[in-house]
Amino acid sequence: QVQLVQSGAEVKKPGASVKVSCKASGYTFTSYHLHWVRQAPGQGLEWMGVIFGSDGSTTKAQKFQVRLTMTRDTSTSTVYVELSSLTSKDTAVYFCVREVPGGVFDVWGQGTMVAVSS
Amino acid sequence: QTVVTQEPSLTVSPGGTVTLTCTSSTGAVTSGFSPNWIQQKPGQAPRTLIYSTSSKHSWTPARFSGSLLGGKAALTLSGVQPEDEAEYHCLLNCDNSWVFGGGTKLTVL
Repeated sequence: QVQLVQSGAEVKKPGASVKVSCKASGYTFTSYHLHWVRQAPGQGLEWMGVIFGSDGSTTKAQKFQVRLTMTRDTSTSTVYVELSSLTSKDTAVYFCVREVPGGVFDVWGQGTMVAVSS
Repeated sequence: QTVVTQEPSLTVSPGGTVTLTCTSSTGAVTSGFSPNWIQQKPGQAPRTLIYSTSSKHSWTPARFSGSLLGGKAALTLSGVQPEDEAEYHCLLNCDNSWVFGGGTKLTVL
């Protein structure tokens, strides 16, 4: 079955970077897009960006243009999101979610908690 | 940056019907915004219920339906069950990026 399994929780110091992974299984990796979404404690969902299945190109939300890097490894069907210059405002649960090209969001990862604290 | 707005909270009685809406600051929501509706229960990962305005996934209960109503995307729950108590998020495609609404906390009481 289709699954997205994310890496474990992280604790980081302000100013550091964090890299979270999302391993896909059960489908043809390059046929689908993968998005990153985050949720700060007690807040709503926030779209961060997408890595496109066909060519690995990316589109990022305006507020993450500088600090966000999304990459993938097709040999392991894994996508990565790296966020730099962390502040306490980046404390959140980070989710990956699959998109069937055309705007169909379906399977979500289980989420990865990232805590930023001095 | 487009702002997507939802009702912050709604309350419905078990067995009742409720409609949640999703508006865009840029104007009327159309099918071109590819509305998705996502359910999230406390401590759980989100689960997408509706895509492309009104299409359902295989796991979406029949009592959930999506539509466009008066320039808004809408999610209607008919015959609400206690387990439908959750946060509901809408997601719109806006100028080749995606924007979530603030979420609606649905209470079943």
